[in-house]
Parts: sequence; C-alpha cells; structure tokens
Amino acid sequence: GAVVSQHPSWVICKSGTSVKIECRSLDFQATTMFWYRQFPKQSLMLMATSNEGSKATYEQGVEKDKFLINHASLTLSTLTVTSAHPEDSSFYICSARDSGRPNWEAFFGQGTRLTVV
Amino acid sequence: LAKTTQPISMDSYEGQEVNITCSHNNIATNDYITWYQQFPSQGPRFIIQGYKTKVTNEVASLFIPADRKSSTLSLPRVSLSDTAVYYCLVGEGNQAGTALIFGKGTTLSVSS
Repeated sequence: GAVVSQHPSWVICKSGTSVKIECRSLDFQATTMFWYRQFPKQSLMLMATSNEGSKATYEQGVEKDKFLINHASLTLSTLTVTSAHPEDSSFYICSARDSGRPNWEAFFGQGTRLTVV
Repeated sequence: LAKTTQPISMDSYEGQEVNITCSHNNIATNDYITWYQQFPSQGPRFIIQGYKTKVTNEVASLFIPADRKSSTLSLPRVSLSDTAVYYCLVGEGNQAGTALIFGKGTTLSVSS
C-alpha cells in the first residue's frame, strides 16, 4: 500500500542550530504534502501545506522564516527548523494524500521527535 | 470544515467491543467520515471511512445514521494493542490539496 516515509525518526540538536526533516511518498506522487506538529498529549496541529514547485502555505501563527519548507519533487518535501530553540521540541509529522486511493486517502509518516537542548 | 465532538477518553477490557461515537452536526453533503488511529510516537493510521449506513473492514465497523450527524466506530473484541488515540474527521474526500484537521481525539485504554 501507499507509504509515506519520514526521516529521521528522532533528532537531538543544540539550541541555535538547524534541523532538516525529510518526507517522502514512496509509491505515489504527491503534489501536496502537509506538515503537522504535535505536543505531548495534544492533537496534531497543521503547520503548513507544501506544494511541489511553489511556495508553501503556512497556518496562522506559524513562522515561515523559522520553518522552511521545500517541495522540490513530487515525492519529497523537507521541513527545516532554523535556529531551533527548546520550545521547538515537538513531534513533527508529514502527510500526503494519494489520488490513486479511494477518496484520496491520507497517509502519514512515522513522525520525527525533535529535542532541542 | 465540520466540527467533530468525541469523548476525551474511554476504558475497556480485552475481549470487549468498544464503540466510540463522534458528533458532527454540521456535516456537509459532500463530506465523508474518516477515522484514524494513532499510537504514541507514531503518525496516524487510517482505520475506516464511510459516507452513510454501515461500512466494515477487517479492523472495524463504522455506523452512520441516516441524518449523518453522528457516527460510531466499533472495534470488536479489543486487545491491549488497541490502546491508542482515535480521531474522527469529517471532510470532502476528493481534494488532494486539503489537509486533514484533527480534533482532540478519544484516548482508548484497554486493560487485561
């Protein structure tokens, strides 16, 4: 079945550094991918919509200069957390909808646990 | 997007049937009802989707009354491994560019 792969599954970085998270659709093309953030015991919060070949669309309150999104191909989107701080520590999840599945079923990556120290 | 309301938490024992009800009073004509399951530190996983009446797959059943203002996810004979958060989502199915918006979900705890 359709798979969305996310890498890395966890990362620890120092405050002030940048971290890149990759999201790949392994067996389908995704012109659009979505990035979510999830804090402990909370639901997924949509951060941005990543569009292949164009600029991402950010949700209100999400800093586009801090969370850089690049969607350079139909199977890869990346999220870069720039100048990370401890408050950016969270679980980041990407998703894509497969047009070849009934009702464009959404698939999610396994998530990336970011810890900023 | 239609707002959904579901219980914050539910407890059950192994072998029991669990029914989680979701209210979506403002569901639109073109909206589908989809349920996702999420284990700790993992991305959500699709469980089942329906438009009306009853849908059944190898994992669960989804019951949707005629007015479609609510839906019930039924998990037969749960096991410890069914402990997870279950999300009910309502929205149009055929829009690849539309993100899924998650509510608070229902935390199901299954005990032995």
